[in-house]
Order: sequence, then structure tokens, then C-alpha cells
Amino acid sequence: GENVEQHPSTLSVQEGDSAVIKCTYSDSASNYFPWYKQELGKRPQLIIDIRSNVGEKKDQRIAVTLNKTAKHFSLHITETQPEDSAVYFCAARTRNNNDMRFGAGTRLTVKP
Amino acid sequence: NAGVTQTPKFQVLKTGQSMTLQCAQDMNHNSMYWYRQDPGMGLRLIYYSASEGTTDKGEVPNGYNVSRLNKREFSLRLESAAPSQTSVYFCASSERAGGEDFGEGSWLTVV
Repeated sequence: GENVEQHPSTLSVQEGDSAVIKCTYSDSASNYFPWYKQELGKRPQLIIDIRSNVGEKKDQRIAVTLNKTAKHFSLHITETQPEDSAVYFCAARTRNNNDMRFGAGTRLTVKP
Repeated sequence: NAGVTQTPKFQVLKTGQSMTLQCAQDMNHNSMYWYRQDPGMGLRLIYYSASEGTTDKGEVPNGYNVSRLNKREFSLRLESAAPSQTSVYFCASSERAGGEDFGEGSWLTVV
């Protein structure tokens, strides 16, 4: 089955700096790659996603890039704010089933 | 529009007891999922249901059973709880081509 690895496990940045989180996946049949943000004690919430027919997608301060050849995708957050502090999860789903696999998560801390 | 609702929110079980976690969604989604979340391990899929009447094993199905009661409801049953099943359980739903909407989570402790 699909295996998703996520790096780094923790990331600390100064307010206003950029943050980048990287994920790799193993199954070349994966075609959907969402990113979730989870605040302490709360549910994961979808913040952005990308499909395999697109190389990059942007939504205000958040962008995701996908390299299908290398089987990796990244989350970019610009102009970080303290409220961006949370755990971020990447995930991958293959075309032929509904089995979503998640990375282990990155704890992002934005220092004011 | 309540989204995904799951009950109970907190539960303490003794080893060997059974219980069912209930989940319902009101977004008319076809697919529903049960995950467990343990510290440092992200979310792991237990079972999923791609549509009403079908269920499939995920990454960690042992010790669990599920029922897709109808399009709205998907329950998770622990027949004989073990301390290793202490975790936070999340139900989720989605359209096949989209991201998942999660419930608020159920904190389960097995002593």
C-alpha cells in the first residue's frame, strides 16, 4: 500500500518568515494530495489540496507544489503568523480506492 | 448543517469491555472513514466505506469492526477492548474525489 513520509517533524520559524514542509509518497497511482492543519485538541481541517494533473496551487499565503516524477509534494506558507502554529499533515490517495494515507505530521511553531 | 458528528466524545473502558462509536454526516457524502490518532504517528485508517453497503479494511483494522448503517451513518465497534486501543478516534466523510471532513474526535482510554 501507499507509504507517506513527512519532514521535518518539528519546525520553528520567526513571524513573517516562510515555512516549508515536504512529503514523499511511494505509490505512483496516487492522484490526490491534501494538506490538513490540526490545532491542539481539535479536528484536522483541510487547508489546501492538489491533484496529479496540476504542478502547483496557491491560496493566499499557502501554496502546494507536486513533483510526480520524484513523487514528492510540499506545503509552503509565506509571511507566517502566530496563528499558523499547529500540526500539519500531508496525505495521499490513490486513483482506484478510497484509502487515504497520512504523513506523521509536522509541528510548526511561529514565534512572535 | 452539522457536518460530521461522532459520539461519545470521551469514554473510559475496562479491558475486555465492548463499545460502539457512532458517526453521522449530513453532507450527503458517499465515503466515510474511521481513523485513530496516536502521538507521533499521525492518522491511521482503520476502516472505510466507499459507498453505502460496502466496507473495506484500512491500515490497522485488527480488533475493530464497522457497520455502514445507511448513507449517513458509519459505526466502529470494539468487541473486546485492549489498552493498545487507547487513542483518539476520528470519523470522516468525503466525496470520492475530495478531501475529508472530520468529526471532533472521540477520546478513548482502556484501562
